[in-house]
Amino acid sequence: ETGVTQSPTHLIKTRGQQVTLRCSSQSGHNTVSWYQQALGQGPQFIFQYYREEENGRGNFPPRFSGLQFPNYSSELNVNALELDDSALYLCASTGGRSDSPLHFGNGTRLTVT
Amino acid sequence: GDSVTQMEGPVTLSEEAFLTINCTYTATGYPSLFWYVQYPGEGLQLLLKATKADDKGSNKGFEATYRKETTSFHLEKGSVQVSDSAVYFCALSYQGAQKLVFGQGTRLTINP
Repeated sequence: ETGVTQSPTHLIKTRGQQVTLRCSSQSGHNTVSWYQQALGQGPQFIFQYYREEENGRGNFPPRFSGLQFPNYSSELNVNALELDDSALYLCASTGGRSDSPLHFGNGTRLTVT
Repeated sequence: GDSVTQMEGPVTLSEEAFLTINCTYTATGYPSLFWYVQYPGEGLQLLLKATKADDKGSNKGFEATYRKETTSFHLEKGSVQVSDSAVYFCALSYQGAQKLVFGQGTRLTINP
């Protein structure tokens, strides 16, 4: 089975720009979550999508937004980038049952200069 | 709010040493507890989990027991290998394995 894939692997943007990160969920998974992992820190929950609807959000401002498509792939969009947005962005998918484990991708490393 | 605290790293051990990585949590309810591992250049992988008090999760020689009285979920392994070198994250969740709250991670290096 194909695992969770994220693109691009690395990205450099300038403060104030906008960025879109992409995630393909594992085959058969209908729920996607996004996490931000700052350097030396644990991942922080941004939001989750289930069947194309946002299904929970962490403590992130509205300039962090997302989409989920009918094939369950997902995008994370960040507007008006700030230096503190520099981090590893992780996507995770799951089958949707409350006891299903999360399967993480390898992440996208975003650097904002 | 809910939070997870792990012992400060980095931790450096020799091969075959005994490992303990401490994890304590603060929670308003009764969460499930997890250990995730992140190898260099890779995403997070679930190492083990426990869903209720006194449960013991185990995998690949690692163990952790859900202790409600001490709000702890310490990770242990009797004899570590060089291949165990990675960053380990303790986490909790109220909705099964979704919407995780992570600790800050503990970097483990095993020397041959």
